Amino acid sequence: DTEVTQTPKHLVMGMTNKKSLKCEQHMGHRAMYWYKQKAKKPPELMFVYSYEKLSINESVPSRFSPECPNSSLLNLHLHALQPEDSALYLCASSQEGFARLAGGHDNEQFFGPGTRLTVL
Amino acid sequence: SQQGEEDPQALSIQEGENATMNCSYKTSINNLQWYRQNSGRGLVHLILIRSNEREKHSGRLRVTLDTSKKSSSLLITASRAADTASYFCATGRLQGAQKLVFGQGTRLTINP
Repeated sequence: DTEVTQTPKHLVMGMTNKKSLKCEQHMGHRAMYWYKQKAKKPPELMFVYSYEKLSINESVPSRFSPECPNSSLLNLHLHALQPEDSALYLCASSQEGFARLAGGHDNEQFFGPGTRLTVL
Repeated sequence: SQQGEEDPQALSIQEGENATMNCSYKTSINNLQWYRQNSGRGLVHLILIRSNEREKHSGRLRVTLDTSKKSSSLLITASRAADTASYFCATGRLQGAQKLVFGQGTRLTINP
């Protein structure tokens, strides 16, 4: 299974709502990522989890709260978002660390289809 | 910050022609990767070239890397309508988990 799944595909929420984005992979990858992508722009890294621990936070506002409950799942909890947070949110995964080097894998990332988020 | 810069920003060619996209970067890298993104969808990994490699092929794709000029190019030969997409280069540096920095992308349109 070489697929990264994301739910929901689309999400519309008000500024006072609390919602969550979900991401799942079953490739045994131990690195997982959240990206934000605005229209006609490249993806921008938000968070990186390595072995279920947060390893990179690119100074993301606290209204975005990531969670990695196990090695296959990655959540992004949303609260009190602003209209400018509307974007495509992409999840990705990759081999990590010794597993990557020992397996001779390159560190390409596998992306999910994304969640299109609209904040009203 | 995005360190990769791509040109052209948009490219429109006829089906069957070759398409060349360029990418420049600023810092030392472990590898450089190219991804494709169909409109509003996730990215698909196309090819990775390591910093000690100069050229790599995969099907109709040819990637070159010049670390002295900090630049790379992606050539798609015999283009097809299905190649219409945005193409991003991404530079990889080992920083714990892999951190990719994406270029601004090239929007490629293949006209039938």
